[in-house]
Amino acid sequence: NAGVTQTPKFQVLKTGQSMTLQCAQDMNHNSMYWYRQDPGMGLRLIYYSASEGTTDKGEVPNGYNVSRLNKREFSLRLESAAPSQTSVYFCASGLATYNEQFFGPGTRLTVL
Amino acid sequence: QKEVEQNSGPLSVPEGAIASLNCTYSDRGSQSFFWYRQYSGKSPELIMFIYSNGDKEDGRFTAQLNKASQYVSLLIRDSQPSDSATYLCAVRNDMRFGAGTRLTVKP
Repeated sequence: NAGVTQTPKFQVLKTGQSMTLQCAQDMNHNSMYWYRQDPGMGLRLIYYSASEGTTDKGEVPNGYNVSRLNKREFSLRLESAAPSQTSVYFCASGLATYNEQFFGPGTRLTVL
Repeated sequence: QKEVEQNSGPLSVPEGAIASLNCTYSDRGSQSFFWYRQYSGKSPELIMFIYSNGDKEDGRFTAQLNKASQYVSLLIRDSQPSDSATYLCAVRNDMRFGAGTRLTVKP
């Protein structure tokens, strides 16, 4: 089992460009999450999906959109990237909301 | 604003010593907590879950929870260089993480 996979691993964007970060899990988990991690600030929740067909805002949702494509896949979209969105993005999944989360390897995004 | 506070460190301990990592939280309604370990450049992985006041032991790791004082701690006994990592405290019911404490275990 691959666990949680994320693509791409690295990305450089120019201000105003758009992109989608992809996440997939093969553990048959119901809940999926997107976090960003910045130096000195820990992990901050952007959006989560408690189950297929639902999405909810987390602590820092502005500038992002998400799609729960099916039970396995949860994507994060930046419509118009800004330098403040330079960060490491982690996708995670869990059997249910508030349960243990399993994290993907992360995407390191730089916005110039 | 709900807060989860951790001393960012770095915390340095010699090999074989006990490392003590602390986390305080502001929301009295918080009931249960996770401790995650994150090696440099890697993703977090769960090492402990605690929801009852008192101690919970798992191998060399002991998590301690004191709801009256609103803190949760992690003790690592017989610390090893392989324990060098950042340790993240997380509140289960709102998925809020502390900034993490960086631990270095010196041989």
